[in-house]
Amino acid sequence: GAGVSQSPSNKVTEKGKDVELRCDPISGHTALYWYRQRLGQGLEFLIYFQGNSAPDKSGLPSDRFSAERTGESVSTLTIQRTQQEDSAVYLCASSLEGYNEQFFGPGTRLTVL
Amino acid sequence: AQKVTQAQTEISVVEKEDVTLDCVYETRDTTYYLFWYKQPPSGELVFLIRRNSFDEQNEISGRYSWNFQKSTSSFNFTITASQVVDSAVYFCALSDANTGTASKLTFGTGTRLQVTL
Repeated sequence: GAGVSQSPSNKVTEKGKDVELRCDPISGHTALYWYRQRLGQGLEFLIYFQGNSAPDKSGLPSDRFSAERTGESVSTLTIQRTQQEDSAVYLCASSLEGYNEQFFGPGTRLTVL
Repeated sequence: AQKVTQAQTEISVVEKEDVTLDCVYETRDTTYYLFWYKQPPSGELVFLIRRNSFDEQNEISGRYSWNFQKSTSSFNFTITASQVVDSAVYFCALSDANTGTASKLTFGTGTRLQVTL
């Protein structure tokens, strides 16, 4: 079966532009998570969805970051007015309800020039 | 607040050596889960193991073994007879155990393992 997919795999943008990152979770997984991994560092939690509601947005670094999810499928992470410090790999993961074994996608490498 | 510490930033071993990756965690929850993930050079995280806080039995899976000690808040990972393909960054992670709901993972900073011939 298909795993978690993310697009684009790489995104280069200019400072100040908006970007959208997409995540397709494993079919049937009701929970979806976004993490950020800066170069050489661990993963930082951003937000998670249970269905299409977001019970925990505590990791979003600023109001420039937002995310939405359609039903129990695709999620989009939007970063407005990108800054150079937003450069990182953005990882998406999904899990079955009631289980917290998370399966990760390949990530989107964002570079803000 | 939850915290995971992986004090070893980088470890280099020669193939066939055994190597242990340390993980120490902090949590106020009485029920929680611990995880190890592998991140090979390709970048995609690979799930290795999940252990709940009530199960302190050590686990072995092939060349991999895990030692969970609640008394020292540690969940160490040993690779026996290491191979070049084990070269990767290994992350330890912690989540609370909200049964029936999802829960975020708190990750350590990772240990980079380099296995050479």
